Amino acid sequence: DAGVTQSPTHLIKTRGQQVTLRCSPKSGHDTVSWYQQALGQGPQFIFQYYEEEERQRGNFPDRFSGHQFPNYSSELNVNALLLGDSALYLCASSDTGGTYGYTFGSGTRLTVV
Amino acid sequence: ELKVEQNPLFLSMQEGKNYTIYCNYSTTSDRLYWYRQDPGKSLESLFVLLSNGAVKQEGRLMASLDTKARLSTLHITAAVHDLSATYFCAVVNFGNEKLTFGTGTRLTIIP
Repeated sequence: DAGVTQSPTHLIKTRGQQVTLRCSPKSGHDTVSWYQQALGQGPQFIFQYYEEEERQRGNFPDRFSGHQFPNYSSELNVNALLLGDSALYLCASSDTGGTYGYTFGSGTRLTVV
Repeated sequence: ELKVEQNPLFLSMQEGKNYTIYCNYSTTSDRLYWYRQDPGKSLESLFVLLSNGAVKQEGRLMASLDTKARLSTLHITAAVHDLSATYFCAVVNFGNEKLTFGTGTRLTIIP
């Protein structure tokens, strides 16, 4: 049973560029959340998608946007990259309501130079 | 706004010893999770605690939840080197689906 799959694993971008990260949820999960984890910090919630709609959003600017597809996979887009966007981006999937927990992918390490 | 605090932030302990990590949260919650993270890696789910008085154990780790005190503990028994990692607790509010993480506890087990 495949877990949560994220791509790419590493990425280097230049300030001002745009980036797209991808996530395939665990089989049987319909809800996808995205988190940003800066070095030495706990993950911070970016947003959550369910039924192809953004259900909830954290304190991130509009430069961060996302999408969920009918097969429940999801994308995170970041525009106008800043040096401070350098972080590990984690995707988590869950069943509706998260009662059985949230499964995290291996993450995408984004470096902005 | 929900705040989650863990202590200690750093913990060095000798193999074979017992210790407890504490997780306090500021508002009523209906779910609490414990995760382990190795350096440069993702988060591994350890425990899901859903109700007051819940206690779960896996190997040398045991987690408990006291919703009235808004406190969860992660107890380590007879620590071994393989348990060296950063441990996070995360809380979900009622009617809310985002995980709010604690600051993390970096645990180092010394032979």
